[in-house]
Amino acid sequence: GAGVSQTPSNKVTEKGKYVELRCDPISGHTALYWYRQSLGQGPEFLIYFQGTGAADDSGLPNDRFFAVRPEGSVSTLKIQRTERGDSAVYLCASSLSLSGQEETQYFGPGTRLLVL
Amino acid sequence: GDSVTQMEGPVTLSEEAFLTINCTYTATGYPSLFWYVQYPGEGLQLLLKATKADDKGSNKGFEATYRKETTSFHLEKGSVQVSDSAVYFCALSNSQGGSEKLVFGKGTKLTVNP
Repeated sequence: GAGVSQTPSNKVTEKGKYVELRCDPISGHTALYWYRQSLGQGPEFLIYFQGTGAADDSGLPNDRFFAVRPEGSVSTLKIQRTERGDSAVYLCASSLSLSGQEETQYFGPGTRLLVL
Repeated sequence: GDSVTQMEGPVTLSEEAFLTINCTYTATGYPSLFWYVQYPGEGLQLLLKATKADDKGSNKGFEATYRKETTSFHLEKGSVQVSDSAVYFCALSNSQGGSEKLVFGKGTKLTVNP
């Protein structure tokens, strides 16, 4: 498809379990972002990749959260020992990120995570 | 750190009414400013943006002007339609930190009644 895709669209898990959320960015986009949106709030930044490397991971809330982008395309957000407070919509965005230019971020539909 | 404060919702208007959603920001340097919209059941979409002071972003009849002196980026539309019902997010991006991450406000839910 032409847009950012995210799988699964919904994920229900139990407290303490491990989950993986996948993001497939727009082809050719070098920058990839993860955000988390809690109910009634705006999205909050988690981590930013430029190519394969995490250029800014200052938004990851703690060491239970980790993300990878091994080939500079698809990214996986991994959450260990999930807690009920991790319940939120996890959004992925990508952009061309040409050097020195402000590029529009295109968002995927999100993965709705519910931790019981 | 950088932050965005936007008008609390929800906002309910009749069709053809004038819309203003206030947005102010706190940031070092010269951020870029954005309005994103989330229609029911859909993902976030960029509505408009402005990258420097006094720039006006516009799209689909919506406008917002980057005012550095008042650190504001208020969203306006002269005549709203039922199809404009959505949640609107003001956001900034500040490349000074080396990352173009977006910092969002909490969102304002707009309902337009026929």
